[in-house]
Amino acid sequence: GAVVSQHPSRVICKSGTSVKIECRSLDFQATTMFWYRQFPKQSLMLMATSNEGSKATYEQGVEKDKFLINHASLTLSTLTVTSAHPEDSSFYICSARDARGGPGNEQFFGPGTRLTVL
Amino acid sequence: QKEVEQNSGPLSVPEGAIASLNCTYSDRGSQSFFWYRQYSGKSPELIMFIYSNGDKEDGRFTAQLNKASQYVSLLIRDSQPSDSATYLCAVNQGGSNYKLTFGKGTLLTVNP
Repeated sequence: GAVVSQHPSRVICKSGTSVKIECRSLDFQATTMFWYRQFPKQSLMLMATSNEGSKATYEQGVEKDKFLINHASLTLSTLTVTSAHPEDSSFYICSARDARGGPGNEQFFGPGTRLTVL
Repeated sequence: QKEVEQNSGPLSVPEGAIASLNCTYSDRGSQSFFWYRQYSGKSPELIMFIYSNGDKEDGRFTAQLNKASQYVSLLIRDSQPSDSATYLCAVNQGGSNYKLTFGKGTLLTVNP
C-alpha cells in the first residue's frame, strides 16, 4: 500500500518551454500533497503544499506564477514549470499524505522527476 | 527558523556493525519525527517514524526520541552494504500542519 507515482520520470526540454509533472496516489486518497525540489548533494526543499480543491500554499521564495500547482482530485496533483530555464533543472519529488491520516501523519514519496532544461 | 541538524558524514561502518545516526531539531513543539533513506538518484523511502519519547524498534532499525533534549536517533543493527545511502531526518510540527522539515542528511557507507 501507500504507492505514489510520478510521470514523467525524466524530461529534457528547451529553455522557454513549459513542463507538466503528474503525481498520483495509487492506492489511497490524498487530500494533501507536497512538492519538493532537490539539487545535487542537497536536501529536499519544500516548494508548496497542494490541497485538493483549493489553492496551493507556496513556501517563501517560490514563484507561484512559475510553478503552477493543481490538485483537482484526491489522487492527482500536477506541477507545471512554466517558461523553464536551465536554473530550473533539478529533481522534483512529490509526496502524499493519506486522507485517513495516521499516527504520524507520514508522507509517502513518489519516485521523482528529473528535469533538465537546455 | 525551524531547523533540523544532522552530521553530513560520511559515516563509515564495517558490515555487521551498528550504525548510529543522530539528529537534533530546534522547534520544541515538534510532534512527529521521521527517518527516510535515500539512495543516490532516487527519492526518499520511509524507514520509520516515532512520536513518543523512548525507543521504537522495527526489524534491524531502532528509532530513539528524547524530546527534552530535542534529539532523535536511528540505530541500524547488523549493517549491510545495501544500507549504504543518505539518511534523512524529518520533523513535523503536528496538528493540521503536515509539513516536514528535513535535515541535510547523513551519508552512510557500510564496508563489506
